[in-house]
Formats: sequence, C-alpha cells, structure tokens
Amino acid sequence: DVKVTQSSRYLVKRTGEKVFLECVQDMDHENMFWYRQDPGLGLRLIYFSYDVKMKEKGDIPEGYSVSREKKERFSLILESASTNQTSMYLCASRRGHEQFFGPGTRLTVL
Amino acid sequence: GQNIDQPTEMTATEGAIVQINCTYQTSGFNGLFWYQQHAGEAPTFLSYNVLDGLEEKGRFSSFLSRSKGYSYLLLKELQMKDSASYLCAVSAAGNTGKLIFGQGTTLQVKP
Repeated sequence: DVKVTQSSRYLVKRTGEKVFLECVQDMDHENMFWYRQDPGLGLRLIYFSYDVKMKEKGDIPEGYSVSREKKERFSLILESASTNQTSMYLCASRRGHEQFFGPGTRLTVL
Repeated sequence: GQNIDQPTEMTATEGAIVQINCTYQTSGFNGLFWYQQHAGEAPTFLSYNVLDGLEEKGRFSSFLSRSKGYSYLLLKELQMKDSASYLCAVSAAGNTGKLIFGQGTTLQVKP
C-alpha cells in the first residue's frame, strides 16, 4: 500500500511566520506535488518535483517555495505567512498515471 | 486557457443512479481522472480514461469523449457512503503527471 504522510493535520500560525509543511512518501516515487484546496476553487497546484533537487512552479507558486533534498521528502515553505494562505494543503506522489494523496494539513494563519 | 467545469452540487436517492458530468478545455491532454473525497479526508483515485469510451469498475463507470471535451462519472445502486465530493481532473500533456482539477461536485445521497 502506498503511504503518503504529512507532518501535521492542523496548524495555526501568525502572520509573518515562516512555515514548513512536510510530506513523506514511502514508495520511491519520483514525482511529488503540493496543492492547496479552497471552497469553490478546487485543488490548485502550487509546486511539483520530478526528482531530487528538481522543482517546477505550478499554477499558484507566489508566496511559496519548496525543497526536495531526498526522494521521499517534499517540503512546502511559506516564507512569510499571510492570512490569504489559510487553506487545506494536500501533498501527493505519483506512480504511473495515478496520484496518491496525503491526509492534508489544514493551516490557519491569524 | 485551461478550464474544467462540473456541477457544484447534486442530490440523489439511495439505490438510484446518478451521473456527474465534467467538461474540459485544456492545452494538451494525457488522460482524465475521477477522484472521490469524503469530508475532511484525502482524495482517493476512482478512475482513469485516456481513450474514448466507457470504463466500468463495479458500481462506478467513467466515460470519455475527447472530441467533445466531455466526461461523466456514473454511480449505480447509490449507497449512503457515496455521499462525498467527486473531483474531475485532466492530466496535461507531457510526463510530469501535473493535474488540473475542477472545483468538485458535492453529492448528497438521501435515504
């Protein structure tokens, strides 16, 4: 069974804080993704990575950065959190044509 | 631009059949996916269509027409546990696996 885990289910941060969201997959997948999910907007791709140290911007990368130092771990970084980054963040990894999602991190920025 | 449209909400009765439609306009096409997402949980994979036609998997079927930019997800013999959001997503061309999602359809199954 593919397992994608995320470091926190719920997180509360203050405006201006640096925030790290961690994602780990245990199936040696090369491709990993970070999405945010907002009501009425669906899932939107922030960044993705197709190999260690390789990354590409998705549709809404502004305000975010990522790190992929090891194949199994893909981190999303909010350099200076803002209230409009309050959202559900979902990580996924890919095998073949199928993406497997982690349980999500609900981030609230006050 | 890239656009995926699906209805926001649908309601159906337990035991019935429901069809959730999805239309798409994307630059490039490498397959269409349906995901199921229960409230507060991660999306889970339901189906994948890359060729025209119907793919059946138990109570769930998915149809694709590439020329019309159209897909539907058909759920038969509805059960209460089928109450969830159903996400339509298109894979862009290339091998990145990048998906473009619609906003999702929330299905409520009533007794």
